[in-house]
Amino acid sequence: NAGVTQTPKFRILKIGQSMTLQCTQDMNHNYMYWYRQDPGMGLKLIYYSVGAGITDKGEVPNGYNVSRSTTEDFPLRLELAAPSQTSVYFCASTLGGNAAYEQYFGPGTRLTVT
Amino acid sequence: AQTVTQSQPEMSVQEAETVTLSCTYDTSENNYYLFWYKQPPSRQMILVIRQEAYKQQNATENRFSVNFQKAAKSFSLKISDSQLGDTAMYFCAFEDSGGGADGLTFGKGTHLIIQP
Repeated sequence: NAGVTQTPKFRILKIGQSMTLQCTQDMNHNYMYWYRQDPGMGLKLIYYSVGAGITDKGEVPNGYNVSRSTTEDFPLRLELAAPSQTSVYFCASTLGGNAAYEQYFGPGTRLTVT
Repeated sequence: AQTVTQSQPEMSVQEAETVTLSCTYDTSENNYYLFWYKQPPSRQMILVIRQEAYKQQNATENRFSVNFQKAAKSFSLKISDSQLGDTAMYFCAFEDSGGGADGLTFGKGTHLIIQP
């Protein structure tokens, strides 16, 4: 199992550009999450999904969109990138909707918007 | 909404010493889980230990143990016989046991440095 994979590892965007951060898991997990980690801070939840076709907002969803067309993939879309979106983005997945299940994290994507 | 507070931005100890990282949280929930995650310079988030709120016994994983005080809403991490490889950011996190869909709520982290 590769676990949770994210691409790209690094990206620099200009203000106003858009991009998609890719996330794939091969553990057949139902629940997937996107977090962002700002410098000197803990992770904050952007969006989550409880299964294919179902997504919902987390704590900091503004400026982002997600989709979940398959169990494996959970891409995060940034439209009109802003400097405030400079952050490290983590994707995570877990088997079920219960905190007893461990969340598995991807390696992160470092995004800089200038 | 839950909040998690880590009041120690940075700590430094000598190798082989014991160190305790502090964490307090605020919630109105009665059933929940608490976690400590390690983030080395590689950025990978690694689960160190977790505690179920309804279990009174403190969780232990090898050199890592917690002191869980539910009434005080305190959840500290003790690392015994610290090693150079323990150098990392450590995050305390909370999750409501009612449903994993809410995700984890993290503190700001403690940067732990183990000196040789």
